Formats: sequence, C-alpha cells, structure tokens
Amino acid sequence: ETGVTQSPTHLIKTRGQQVTLRCSSQSGHNTVSWYQQALGQGPQFIFQYYREEENGRGNFPPRFSGLQFPNYSSELNVNALELDDSALYLCASSPRGTGNTSPYGYTFGSGTRLTVV
Amino acid sequence: EDKVVQSPLSLVVHEGDTVTLNCSYEVTNFRSLLWYKQEKKAPTFLFMLTSSGIEKKSGRLSSILDKKELFSILNITATQTGDSAVYLCAVREYNNNDMRFGAGTRLTVKP
Repeated sequence: ETGVTQSPTHLIKTRGQQVTLRCSSQSGHNTVSWYQQALGQGPQFIFQYYREEENGRGNFPPRFSGLQFPNYSSELNVNALELDDSALYLCASSPRGTGNTSPYGYTFGSGTRLTVV
Repeated sequence: EDKVVQSPLSLVVHEGDTVTLNCSYEVTNFRSLLWYKQEKKAPTFLFMLTSSGIEKKSGRLSSILDKKELFSILNITATQTGDSAVYLCAVREYNNNDMRFGAGTRLTVKP
C-alpha cells in the first residue's frame, strides 16, 4: 500500500508566476485536503476535494485553486505568486468522504517546499 | 473566533524526562481532537480523541481529552532523542471539512 506522495519536493518561483503542485492520495482514499504551513506555524486549511469537487474551503483567495482527478489524485494551483506564499504545502488524504471521519485521521504527504523570490 | 492554542511553544528536556504538552480549543461544533508528530515534513498521526476522560495510550505516549474544560494533554514518559519533533494538535468540527491546527510545540530531547 503506497502512502501519499507529493511532487515536486522543492520549488523556487518568482513573484507573479504561477505554480502547480501535485498529490497522489493513498490507495483507497477518495478525499484530498491541502494545507499551507508557514515557517513556525501550524498547517492552515486551503481546501478539500471529494469526488472531483471542492468540498470546503479555508480563508484563501481565489488565486488558490485545485483539481481532483478520477483516480483521486489532486493538484493545487497558485496564480500571481506573492512572497508570502512561501511555505510548505501539505496534501492529506482520507478514506472517507463528506461527514465521515477516518478512525486514523488523515494521512499526510511529505509536502512541497515553495519559495517565492 | 474559533481557535486552537498549544503550550508551551517550545520545550527542551533531557532523555528520561516526562513531558506534558497542552492543547486548548474554542470551536463551535466540536467533533474530534487529533495529535500529530511532525519530525521533518509529513505530520504523522498519533491519536484521535472524541470522548472526555478516556485515555488513549501508545507505548510511552498517552493523551486525554476534557470536553468540559476544552483541552487535551499529550504525555510522553521516559523521553528519548527520537521524540524530538513538533507536536501538532488539530480540532475537527461537525459540518466542516477542515482540521484547525494549533501552532505546535517544538520538543527537543537532549542526550
């Protein structure tokens, strides 16, 4: 059974550029959530995808968008990058859908470290 | 405003010591509280707590929830250098699909 994999592991972008981060969910998991973790802070919820649709969104502007594919993998897209977007972006998958809680919580990937210069 | 507050923010102990990490929360429709250990990048799941007063235990780690006083503690006994990590507390609510995290407690265990 594979875990959650994210790519790339590190990325450096220039302010104003666009970036796409990718996440493959754990086998059997159909729900994917994205989090942003700034240095020294806890992860902040960006949004969640379930059955290829956005299923909840945190306090992030529309330039943060996402997709989920039929195989449950997901992408996070960020347009018009700002310096404050520099962070670790974590993807977490869960085996349950809306309203259900996995008894083992979410499984996190190792993240993508994005640096905006 | 809903929030999750962890204390202390950082802690330095020596091997063999016992530590207690705290997490208090204020959320509207509490569903569960989760503890994670983050060593490098990926947080790894430790415990999920939904009921007050029931201790969850795994080896040297244990955790308990108090839904009346709105807090949880994570205890680590006989600490080892491998316990050095950031410990994250997160709360889930009903009718809400996110986990709200605290800022974490950075634990350093010295030999």
